[in-house]
Amino acid sequence: GAGVSQSPRYKVAKRGQDVALRCDPISGHVSLFWYQQALGQGPEFLTYFQNEAQLDKSGLPSDRFFAERPEGSVSTLKIQRTQKEDSAVYLCASSFRDRAHEQFFGPGTRLTVL
Amino acid sequence: QKEVEQDPGPLSVPEGAIVSLNCTYSNSAFQYFMWYRQYSRKGPELLMYTYSSGNKEDGRFTAQVDKSSKYISLFIRDSQPSDSATYLCAMKTSYDKVIFGPGTSLSVIP
Repeated sequence: GAGVSQSPRYKVAKRGQDVALRCDPISGHVSLFWYQQALGQGPEFLTYFQNEAQLDKSGLPSDRFFAERPEGSVSTLKIQRTQKEDSAVYLCASSFRDRAHEQFFGPGTRLTVL
Repeated sequence: QKEVEQDPGPLSVPEGAIVSLNCTYSNSAFQYFMWYRQYSRKGPELLMYTYSSGNKEDGRFTAQVDKSSKYISLFIRDSQPSDSATYLCAMKTSYDKVIFGPGTSLSVIP
């Protein structure tokens, strides 16, 4: 079957705009993770869902960041009033329940805030 | 001090060489140790994971975990130009939050 897909692949936003990034996990994967990856760095944990429940949002940098997964499948990461420091690659990953050590990643969305 | 440290490189080796990639960590509660490979402008791809201490081999790749030293390694035998990528170590406790190292950039020169 298909892997994790993310859209858009590239997004350019003007400072102050709101953006929404979409993640389609692998079918049957209960757990879904969002990461932020700055240039030359490893992925940094943002938030984690099990089905529709957001179990950990400790990595969200500010209250401008919001994630949801209302039906336990597709997830959206929303960033309000984007700032230049939000420029990064946003990665989504999914796994079976209790298999976070076997996460499958999407290709990421590269966000550039001008 | 970051929870997971990794030499960023870049590391450049000739084709056929044995490559050693390493990470150190500070949290003794980590139980799962993973290695991911990431090509430029792609998402990370899981190579292998190890639970607790010991070695695990998969083809040309061997992962080692030394919990007493809080040190993990990935060895690549007979390295190929297609192995040129960034290698990320990652770890987790019994909880599902995964912590990544900053990655080591590897170039295998033909």
